[in-house]
Amino acid sequence: NAGVTQTPKFRILKIGQSMTLQCTQDMNHNYMYWYRQDPGMGLKLIYYSVGAGITDKGEVPNGYNVSRSTTEDFPLRLELAAPSQTSVYFCASSRQGGQPQHFGDGTRLSIL
Amino acid sequence: DAKTTQPPSMDCAEGRAANLPCNHSTISGNEYVYWYRQIHSQGPQYIIHGLKNNETNEMASLIITEDRKSSTLILPHATLRDTAVYYCVFGGSQGNLIFGKGTKLSVKP
Repeated sequence: NAGVTQTPKFRILKIGQSMTLQCTQDMNHNYMYWYRQDPGMGLKLIYYSVGAGITDKGEVPNGYNVSRSTTEDFPLRLELAAPSQTSVYFCASSRQGGQPQHFGDGTRLSIL
Repeated sequence: DAKTTQPPSMDCAEGRAANLPCNHSTISGNEYVYWYRQIHSQGPQYIIHGLKNNETNEMASLIITEDRKSSTLILPHATLRDTAVYYCVFGGSQGNLIFGKGTKLSVKP
């Protein structure tokens, strides 16, 4: 029972590089979310999706892009990596919007 | 800004009940209160949620005040493995939750 799977687990990027953080869930959940967590802080919502083909901005969307072509996958794209994007990124999913969210184990990203 | 207020840290003796408070005075009538915890740097783990009535599951109990402006998470018999950061959150119907810094619970032998 995989749940929410995130890859990679760790990554180091140089300033200006781009990369895609992968997230997939096998629970047939409609809603998916991307959060970032800076040291000693709570999670901040970056983007979320209520279903395939539908995405919306969260609290801190600048510098990121998302797409949702299938129910299972919700990749997060960083186009021009900046040091301020050094963080731990968590993906989550839920069956509907008001229901409990299931989180992945996170991707630890450092930008140098 | 976080919409909930929690104490930054709490201690609890192993085997005792841990009572974690949360103020959420701006919650709307149709928004649920959720509790999650995060152990080390793992992904947050769902614990319990509620709307108006008190709730209990195999992990914890949730007590919500009648005016819904605050709640308390109760871990009835805390163990060392319950040491974690506990987050009280609520959000819109889209599930767009806003997390604060939470309460760091330390369970001591």
